[in-house]
Parts: sequence; C-alpha cells; structure tokens
Amino acid sequence: AQSVTQPDIHITVSEGASLELRCNYSYGATPYLFWYVQSPGQGLQLLLKYFSGDTLVQGIKGFEAEFKRSQSSFNLRKPSVHWSDAAEYFCAVGAHTDKLIFGTGTRLQVFP
Amino acid sequence: EAGVAQSPRYKIIEKRQSVAFWCNPISGHATLYWYQQILGQGPKLLIQFQNNGVVDDSQLPKDRFSAERLKGVDSTLKIQPAKLEDSAVYLCASSAGDRGMETQYFGPGTRLLVL
Repeated sequence: AQSVTQPDIHITVSEGASLELRCNYSYGATPYLFWYVQSPGQGLQLLLKYFSGDTLVQGIKGFEAEFKRSQSSFNLRKPSVHWSDAAEYFCAVGAHTDKLIFGTGTRLQVFP
Repeated sequence: EAGVAQSPRYKIIEKRQSVAFWCNPISGHATLYWYQQILGQGPKLLIQFQNNGVVDDSQLPKDRFSAERLKGVDSTLKIQPAKLEDSAVYLCASSAGDRGMETQYFGPGTRLLVL
C-alpha cells in the first residue's frame, strides 16, 4: 500500500540556518511526489513537485527537493531559513486515480 | 485567477446535529476533492469527483457523510449526524484533472468543532 513517512514531527532552526525536512515513501511504481506548506489557518500551498526527469527539483520560496529512488526519499531543503518559513510542511505521494496520500507533517519553528 | 473558495470558515455544532460545507473550485477545473484533516495529521481524501461523477469515495463514512457536485462545478459535503471524532478541518481542492496526475489547489478549509 502507498504511504508517506515524515519522521520528524517538530524541527526548530535558527533564522539563516539551513534546513532539511525528511520524507520517505512507499509506492509500487514511479511516484509523483509533492511538498506542500500550510501556515496557521490556511490551506495547503504547493512548494514543488516531482513527476519525472531531473531528480533535483526547484520550488517556490527558495526550496528544493531531491528524489532518491534507491532510498525512497524526497527530502526538502532550503539553504537559509527565514522567520516567515515557520509553518507545517507536508510531503505527499500521488497515487492512481490522482489522489494524494499525505504524511503526518513536520512543524517548523524558526528562532530569530 | 480566483482560488478555491470554501464556506463557512468555522463551524461549531453539537453532536448528532447536521452540518454542510460548500466548495467552489477554480474555474474550469474538472476534478474536485474533499479532504479531512484531523489535528496533528495529514489530510486524508474523503471523496474525489471528476466533473460530477465520483471517482473515489472509499474512505468516506457513507453512513453519515454525503457529498454531491452539482453540474460539475460547486460541491457540498454534509455530515448527518455529526460525532465528536468528526472535529477536523475539511479541505476542498481542485485540479484541471484532464491529463493524469496534476497539481491540486487547496482552499482555506472549514474548521469544524463538534461538542
């Protein structure tokens, strides 16, 4: 069965520090992979997606993610975090019929 | 381009009452999704429409939840009767949906509290 694991429930970083959020997936075929961000009281906003091709994907707000098939991972990175990046981040895999299966999320806290 | 609209934004009801949520997707989007997001969890798909037909409702608790999409545009999700465990954020999303896996755009959600 398809599933997504985000091992880190809560991460705290200092502003300006680098960030990596982990995501592991289980899917039988080549996956469609997504990262969404959710600010308090808001819906989900797409940061980036991987469908095929280059395994390093660039997204909005300076985020990037790397697809590693051998590790079944799709980790999200940012070289320098801003206080406005504090939010909840969700990794998702696109299954057949186009539905998304989400991980449980990682809450990012940014200290000044 | 207007995004996905949802109303109401917040709703508080007592258990065993009924409640309905409304969603207006992005214009021209064929596929509409309803997700349930319980506190501390990721969103879970409840039902997916392609135009006005149901593609996937395997995780919809059909004894109490119902959804419809009139004329392939707006959609309503209803809970009758509500239970305490239905307290969650209900997210609506839409996608163009005519070329396989495509980006889903989410509305702001309706936060439901069942007392």
